[in-house]
Amino acid sequence: GAVVSQHPSWVICKSGTSVKIECRSLDFQATTMFWYRQFPKQSLMLMATSNEGSKATYEQGVEKDKFLINHASLTLSTLTVTSAHPEDSSFYICSARGAWTQETQYFGPGTRLLVL
Amino acid sequence: GQNIDQPTEMTATEGAIVQINCTYQTSGFNGLFWYQQHAGEAPTFLSYNVLDGLEEKGRFSSFLSRSKGYSYLLLKELQMKDSASYLCAVRGSNTGKLIFGQGTTLQVKP
Repeated sequence: GAVVSQHPSWVICKSGTSVKIECRSLDFQATTMFWYRQFPKQSLMLMATSNEGSKATYEQGVEKDKFLINHASLTLSTLTVTSAHPEDSSFYICSARGAWTQETQYFGPGTRLLVL
Repeated sequence: GQNIDQPTEMTATEGAIVQINCTYQTSGFNGLFWYQQHAGEAPTFLSYNVLDGLEEKGRFSSFLSRSKGYSYLLLKELQMKDSASYLCAVRGSNTGKLIFGQGTTLQVKP
């Protein structure tokens, strides 16, 4: 149980385009989803927290107009990187937590984004 | 402020025992988590401590002392596949957000 999927697993795009990443909880209802970014050899940095049906809460320094987060259902959250630039290239990981998982967050497999 | 400290790297021998320490200073505390992350992959959950003491789960054990702001992850009977980064994360008391340490890269040698 507690499986989280992400799609796509990797994406290469041109500078200026937008990229959408999906995060799904497959076998539980995720009341809260988290989006992280991880640069090489660094730890996970929380970007935003989203609760189903409400606006995401962004961490300091994260541009909400650039990183659009939607949590429309209890099993799906999306992160859209708008007008991507090479500095946005990173490993994006979502995690989900629900009543069934008690206190634990479970992570998706991650999406590797390369902006050329 | 929030601060979580772990050693950057550790090396151990296959079959041995290794202890990875984590100290934290956070505004509020509602649990400490350990995750394992292999290179290029997402973290996988290992353990969760919210009360003082030792939690044992197979070859892995995790200890917490809230008064000291200290935890450790103990790995027994090390296997080559245990070579990975181990992330210590603390959850704040109100927000539910996890704050991650930098991670400890463990290399297991034959």
